[in-house]
Amino acid sequence: GEDVEQSLFLSVREGDSSVINCTYTDSSSTYLYWYKQEPGAGLQLLTYIFSNMDMKQDQRLTVLLNKKDKHLSLRIADTQTGDSAIYFCAESHSSYKLIFGSGTRLLVRP
Amino acid sequence: DAGVIQSPRHEVTEMGQEVTLRCKPISGHNSLFWYRQTMMRGLELLIYFNNNVPIDDSGMPEDRFSAKMPNASFSTLKIQPSEPRDSAVYFCAGTASHNEQFFGPGTRLTVL
Repeated sequence: GEDVEQSLFLSVREGDSSVINCTYTDSSSTYLYWYKQEPGAGLQLLTYIFSNMDMKQDQRLTVLLNKKDKHLSLRIADTQTGDSAIYFCAESHSSYKLIFGSGTRLLVRP
Repeated sequence: DAGVIQSPRHEVTEMGQEVTLRCKPISGHNSLFWYRQTMMRGLELLIYFNNNVPIDDSGMPEDRFSAKMPNASFSTLKIQPSEPRDSAVYFCAGTASHNEQFFGPGTRLTVL
């Protein structure tokens, strides 16, 4: 069945780059997403990429997609303490249903 | 727009009691989702409505759970009777397209 996997935890120093990785199993995925969840809040969409793209950049965020290996990554440049949160990778191939990973908790050390 | 509104934000109840969670989606969002988030199982889709009609309720855990969407601006998720294992954060989300789902702040439910 469909599955999305992420590492559970990442710790970086403020100002460094963060790279959060995700793998998925559904080769028919149409869209891949990165959501951010801050404590006590709902998920917020950071960015998404169509499956026919291999890279998307949006300010400090860079998404890389390796469709052959079904691997998605999110790079955050110049990571700030405000970037500390849980980051969820998600994929969809239907019009509505998102399959979420378990989330990666990013801790930014001052 | 105030975003997706959920109430209550926190609910503490005793086992066996009925719990009703409420959601007001963003105006114009014709799809609505209820999710449950726990440490053990992560984020699970419970039910999906499109134009107020339930399309996929395969994620609803059991008959104790029910959801309604009487109109485009309001939905409820009811648990009756509640059990301690229902303790979780319940999110409502809405979308007008498949590119982005807008999540509410969630309701943290604790069943004692």
